[in-house]
Amino acid sequence: LHLQESGPGLVKPSETLSLTCTVSGGSISSTTYYWGWIRQPPGKGLEWVGNIYYSGSTYYTTYYNPSLKSRVTISVDTSKNQFSLKLTSVTAADTAVYYCATGIGRDYPSGVDVWGQGTTVTVSS
Amino acid sequence: DIQMTQSPSSLSASVRDRVTITCRASQSIASYLNWYQQKPGKAPKLLMYGASSMQSGVPPRFGGSGSGTDFTLTISSLQPEDFATYYCQQSYSTPITFGQGTRLEIK
Repeated sequence: LHLQESGPGLVKPSETLSLTCTVSGGSISSTTYYWGWIRQPPGKGLEWVGNIYYSGSTYYTTYYNPSLKSRVTISVDTSKNQFSLKLTSVTAADTAVYYCATGIGRDYPSGVDVWGQGTTVTVSS
Repeated sequence: DIQMTQSPSSLSASVRDRVTITCRASQSIASYLNWYQQKPGKAPKLLMYGASSMQSGVPPRFGGSGSGTDFTLTISSLQPEDFATYYCQQSYSTPITFGQGTRLEIK
């Protein structure tokens, strides 16, 4: 399983950050994996943003960090085997390396065992 | 949210030293604790899950223990490639949360 992030590296304050993660070596419609986003501000620790899970019958369930919930949307494009992150009304505090990642179980009890390489997003005018 | 606190925040050690990193949860998380290693400019790498289960491919010099609120990651004999930052992560409840990290440096 391999994950690769893509998207703009620079976003203006108050605008929307949009990133895509392309999944290879596995299906985005797997009922095994929770597909998620984790971010890391410069020089700081890791923060879970949210994840999405295929619960069957074309139905996906999302889970978001309450601290970001009002601004975050995670969605899936099954035709491209991708999942995406949208974060609205960004500020400088949203500047971070954004990782797409996956593991088994909503809270990853067996760990986040597959990570993308990460993409740096800077919020600045 | 469950708060995860690691100690120390940074640590200097020499090759072949035995090193222990501690992670404390703000409430009991049973054994729902994972450990990651991160090197500069790279994504984190899963080392341990379920407090004491080793991820495939991780050298046996790494070991984890603990349950409830107190956990440890031990490296029995440091190797040059082990100098990195280590994070714990609770997988007991949403939102999952990480410790602030322990930076392991060469003495």
